[in-house]
Amino acid sequence: GAGVSQSPSNKVTEKGKDVELRCDPISGHTALYWYRQSLGQGLEFLIYFQGNSAPDKSGLPSDRFSAERTGGSVSTLTIQRTQQEDSAVYLCASSPRSRGWHTGELFFGEGSRLTVL
Amino acid sequence: KNEVEQSPQNLTAQEGEFITINCSYSVGISALHWLQQHPGGGIVSLFMLSSGKKKHGRLIATINIQEKHSSLHITASHPRDSAVYICAVSPLAPNTGNQFYFGTGTSLTVIP
Repeated sequence: GAGVSQSPSNKVTEKGKDVELRCDPISGHTALYWYRQSLGQGLEFLIYFQGNSAPDKSGLPSDRFSAERTGGSVSTLTIQRTQQEDSAVYLCASSPRSRGWHTGELFFGEGSRLTVL
Repeated sequence: KNEVEQSPQNLTAQEGEFITINCSYSVGISALHWLQQHPGGGIVSLFMLSSGKKKHGRLIATINIQEKHSSLHITASHPRDSAVYICAVSPLAPNTGNQFYFGTGTSLTVIP
């Protein structure tokens, strides 16, 4: 498809397990963002990738969270030793350009709903 | 303090009514975005604007850069417009990779 694709759409895991969430952005989009949305809450910034530059990880809530983006395309968000407070919808978005101060339009995936029991 | 404030938080309207959702922000911006999120669904970008007014079907977005204010209008509202509408801004000089500041959203319910 032409949109941002995320998988899995739903993930139920036990506390303490590791999970991987995948994002396949729109082809050619250089900027990729991960956000977290807890129930009834707004969007919480996690991490930002721009082209081949080092990612900005300033939004990651703890060192249990990490993300990588291979070949400037697909990104994986990994949560180690999951906790119940990690339960949320994890949203990925890509944008056609971002030059520090100017951003392009955001295109979001459908999200990955994570439930930690 | 949130850089982006939306009002109202919740809005219920009768089908056919004209709806206005407001967004105020406190930072210099390069662009403002209006997003729509249906229950259980993903987020769709409705508008990206940096000045004036844009129209798409029954949706109209306006922005006043001097007053740091934007409005989203829905004409002839329909139950399928029921969703959360989110205002986001692209700050001129973000200190971090958080390239967007998001409002907390306006939950709209249109009753048939």
